[in-house]
Amino acid sequence: KQEVTQIPAALSVPEGENLVLNCSFTDSAIYNLQWFRQDPGKGLTSLLLIQSSQREQTSGRLNASLDKSSGRSTLYIAASQPGDSATYLCAVSRTGNQFYFGTGTSLTVIP
Amino acid sequence: EAEVAQSPRYKITEKSQAVAFWCDPISGHATLYWYRQILGQGPELLVQFQDESVVDDSQLPKDRFSAERLKGVDSTLKIQPAELGDSAMYLCASSFRQVRYNEQFFGPGTRLTVL
Repeated sequence: KQEVTQIPAALSVPEGENLVLNCSFTDSAIYNLQWFRQDPGKGLTSLLLIQSSQREQTSGRLNASLDKSSGRSTLYIAASQPGDSATYLCAVSRTGNQFYFGTGTSLTVIP
Repeated sequence: EAEVAQSPRYKITEKSQAVAFWCDPISGHATLYWYRQILGQGPELLVQFQDESVVDDSQLPKDRFSAERLKGVDSTLKIQPAELGDSAMYLCASSFRQVRYNEQFFGPGTRLTVL
């Protein structure tokens, strides 16, 4: 079974700082990796999808990278804002069409 | 913008009662997923549909949980009888095709509390 780990579990940064969230997975035979944002008590919002053949994807202040061979992905958030405060989840898909989720990183951006 | 709809948003029930959750995926999305998310954890897949067919229900507790997608569009997840340990967020998601090709889009979820 695919194991997905996210470190750190919680992160607190001052507004304006650049930050990196980490995601690692045990089985490199993935089809794609998706980063999500989840606000308290709410559903998941898709941020970025990286196919296994890609190295990175960018959307606004967000940049996600994928190193499939080492089983790692990072989500880079530039110039963080208080509105970025949420839990960030990564998920990987592999054979069987199932997504395996990490437990998330809870981000707090302090004004 | 198209969204995945779920209802109800919140449900409080007593143990041994029956509960049902409804999901309407984004129009045209053939693949529908039900997930359960316990507080502080990532979502875990319960069941996956491709059109009206179940393609993965290996993690669904079939003694008490059932799911259907009769016409290949909206879907219902039922729990009967509910147990205390079923308290969680139930999330529905859809994708145009299988996840290996496409993004998953999630609904707002149903927060279930079993007393």
